[in-house]
Amino acid sequence: AQSVAQPEDQVNVAEGNPLTVKCTYSVSGNPYLFWYVQYPNRGLQFLLKYITGDNLVKGSYGFEAEFNKSQTSFHLKKPSALVSDSALYFCAVSANTNAGKSTFGDGTTLTVKP
Amino acid sequence: GAVVSQHPSRVICKSGTSVKIECRSLDFQATTMFWYRQFPKKSLMLMATSNEGSKATYEQGVEKDKFLINHASLTLSTLTVTSAHPEDSSFYICSARVNLDTGSYNEQFFGPGTRLTVL
Repeated sequence: AQSVAQPEDQVNVAEGNPLTVKCTYSVSGNPYLFWYVQYPNRGLQFLLKYITGDNLVKGSYGFEAEFNKSQTSFHLKKPSALVSDSALYFCAVSANTNAGKSTFGDGTTLTVKP
Repeated sequence: GAVVSQHPSRVICKSGTSVKIECRSLDFQATTMFWYRQFPKKSLMLMATSNEGSKATYEQGVEKDKFLINHASLTLSTLTVTSAHPEDSSFYICSARVNLDTGSYNEQFFGPGTRLTVL
């Protein structure tokens, strides 16, 4: 079975400060890792993914994430947060061994204060 | 970019009626579509995986006779909530994935969601 944990229900940061949204995973085989963002009353938008190669993945809106195999983590980061980054963030994992289904974390609400 | 639409965006119906929600991939062909239900505390629950031309695969605990899924073409999947009850009120979200090779490493593109309220 595969699983994703987002240990923080809520993350608060000040605008201009760096932000980190944490994600750890468990999967059989090679993990495919994703971050999505959801704005109020909307569907999810794809931010970035890790498939293979460089552990540091860059995505949309200045976000990046680092794959750490030994810690089974894929934390989302941004050097300087914007108020407009305030949203709900989901980490997801999938693997070829599970018919390609993605398992999502419970989500982390990011609030960036001016 | 890949766009997925959902219709309707919001629907209110009486208890006992059926409601159909459409999910369309507008600019790509989606071999696989997914249906999710999102609860007020925000977590996403995968309801079923739908592959074009075959029967949907339902997750454990999801009633296939209540939540009818049809994926008749590479750009359209529908979810019909039959004999809806107030407890079915929720935010339903579909997603589509372009399947290249094995496909599971491809990201999903999500529809904007449908807010269902059953009175």
